[in-house]
Parts: sequence; C-alpha cells; structure tokens
Amino acid sequence: GAVVSQHPSWVICKSGTSVKIECRSLDFQATTMFWYRQFPKQSLMLMATSNEGSKATYEQGVEKDKFLINHASLTLSTLTVTSAHPEDSSFYICSARGLAGAFLDNEQFFGPGTRLTVL
Amino acid sequence: QQPVQSPQAVILREGEDAVINCSSSKALYSVHWYRQKHGEAPVFLMILLKGGEQKGHEKISASFNEKKQQSSLYLTASQLSYSGTYFCGTESWAPNSGNTPLVFGKGTRLSVIA
Repeated sequence: GAVVSQHPSWVICKSGTSVKIECRSLDFQATTMFWYRQFPKQSLMLMATSNEGSKATYEQGVEKDKFLINHASLTLSTLTVTSAHPEDSSFYICSARGLAGAFLDNEQFFGPGTRLTVL
Repeated sequence: QQPVQSPQAVILREGEDAVINCSSSKALYSVHWYRQKHGEAPVFLMILLKGGEQKGHEKISASFNEKKQQSSLYLTASQLSYSGTYFCGTESWAPNSGNTPLVFGKGTRLSVIA
C-alpha cells in the first residue's frame, strides 16, 4: 500500500526557534501534498496545499511567512514553523495523493503526524 | 464548506450498533471516512464516490445518498477496537490532478465499553 512518513514524530523546542517537519511519500509519487493542523479534541484543519515545483496555496488565516512550505520533489514536502510560539503547539499531519489515475479511488494517504510542543 | 457530523459523541456496549452521519448543504463529489485514535494519525476506512453507493468492509459499512449530500457510516456489532473519533472528509468538486483537499467534519467520538 501507499505509505507516507513524517519526520520527526515529535519535537520540543523553545519559543522563537524554527522547526522543520518533513513529509515523504515512500512508494509513490505525489504531485500534491496537504498540511493539516489538529489541536486537542478538534478536527483536522487544512493549512495549505503544496504542489510540486510551485508555491503552496494557504488557507485563509494561515500566515505563509510563518509556515513555510517547500515541495521540492514528487516525494518530499517540508513545513517549517518559523519563530515558533507556544500557541503553535499542535499535531501537524501531512497527506499525499498520487498522480492522477495512480490509485483507483483517488484517496489521500496520511502521514503519522508530528507533535510539536513549544515551550 | 465544513460538513456537519452527528452525533458528536456516542457510547456503546460491545456488540451494539451505531450510525454516524455526515451532511453537506451542497452536492459532494466524494466522501471519505477516517477513524483516529488518540495521539495517532487518521486511518482511512473508505471512500464513496457515486450517489446511491454503499460499500463495506467486515462490520463497517457506509452509504452515500442519491443526492450526494449525505453519507452515513454504519458500525455493526461494535468491538472495543472501534473506539476512536470518526471523521468524514468531503470533496465538493472533482479533483484536478489530485490537488483537491479534503474538508473534515468536527468528528464523532465513539466509545465502546465492555
């Protein structure tokens, strides 16, 4: 099956530092990857849509200068939380879709998530 | 536009059945169902693409009504392992090269007790 990995699984950092989270599709190519954020006991909220080779599309209310997204290849997207603050502490989850027609049901495959704690 | 899920929470005894609903004010292209356990990423359950479609796996099934505005997830003879939060994710239009994100409902917390 299609596997998406994230690294790191968890990170604890001091306020003001930057944190990079990687999302990789291990056995398929993903033109598009999505970044979600989930606060405790809440739903997954889409932050941005990341397309390989082009700028990410951010959802309303998500600061693009704070959450830098780079999608350098068909298997890797990175999210960098710049100058992190305690309110950025959350569960960050990426997902990926295969190239058009690659999978029967056009499903999204989720990574295992990265738990960020900013002290 | 965020789909509406109901109920918000439900408690079942092992062996009981449950239905979780996901509704939209507009016709949808697809509905995706996920289950998430505490501290873990969502796990894919199934996708529904066609109006009137029903599909299932083991004792979990789902339907998508003819107007494609509502989907229901059916959990039959629930097991302890079914506990978790169930999310529906929806697409409002046909994906263009896979770049359409899912919009998730607020989730339904299911607790199965012995």
